[in-house]
Amino acid sequence: DVKVTQSSRYLVKRTGEKVFLECVQDMDHENMFWYRQDPGLGLRLIYFSYDVKMKEKGDIPEGYSVSREKKERFSLILESASTNQTSMYLCASTLSRLYEQYFGPGTRLTVT
Amino acid sequence: ELKVEQNPLFLSMQEGKNYTIYCNYSTTSDRLYWYRQDPGKSLESLFVLLSNGAVKQEGRLMASLDTKARLSTLHITAAVHDLSATYFCAVDLIQGAQKLVFGQGTRLTINP
Repeated sequence: DVKVTQSSRYLVKRTGEKVFLECVQDMDHENMFWYRQDPGLGLRLIYFSYDVKMKEKGDIPEGYSVSREKKERFSLILESASTNQTSMYLCASTLSRLYEQYFGPGTRLTVT
Repeated sequence: ELKVEQNPLFLSMQEGKNYTIYCNYSTTSDRLYWYRQDPGKSLESLFVLLSNGAVKQEGRLMASLDTKARLSTLHITAAVHDLSATYFCAVDLIQGAQKLVFGQGTRLTINP
């Protein structure tokens, strides 16, 4: 079974802090994704990566950056956390665009 | 810009009844995915629809895709309480790497 893990289930940070969210998948998937999920808005794509060291902006990249140094690991970075970044963050991976994405358990981030 | 709209957004139904969730999208695509999310949990893949006329069935759920109408349906037959969840459709933009745009989700509650 594909397994996607995320470093924290719950995180509380202060405004202005630098925040790292980590995601690891164990199925050698090429593509990895970061989404945020907010009530009434569904899931929105922040960034995705189709190869090591490659990244592309999604629909809402502002205030975020990413890093993919190894194939199995994709990190989301909030350079200076703000209260409007309080959300559920979901990581996903897929082998290719012909297959479904597998999602991690999510990180609920609260910025105070 | 691709827009994906689901309806209804909320659905409360009795066990044993049939119902359909609709997913409309605004631009050409031939890849559509259905996911399920239980409260407090992450997303789980249900169906991958990769061509016009595709139909997939699993238990009491059946999904179909009409690319000409830009419409997918998720049909529930003889609903049972265990199907209570939020259901998302997601559409893949036709070019480049997989980049999903999600609908808002349909929260389905099935009452005994």
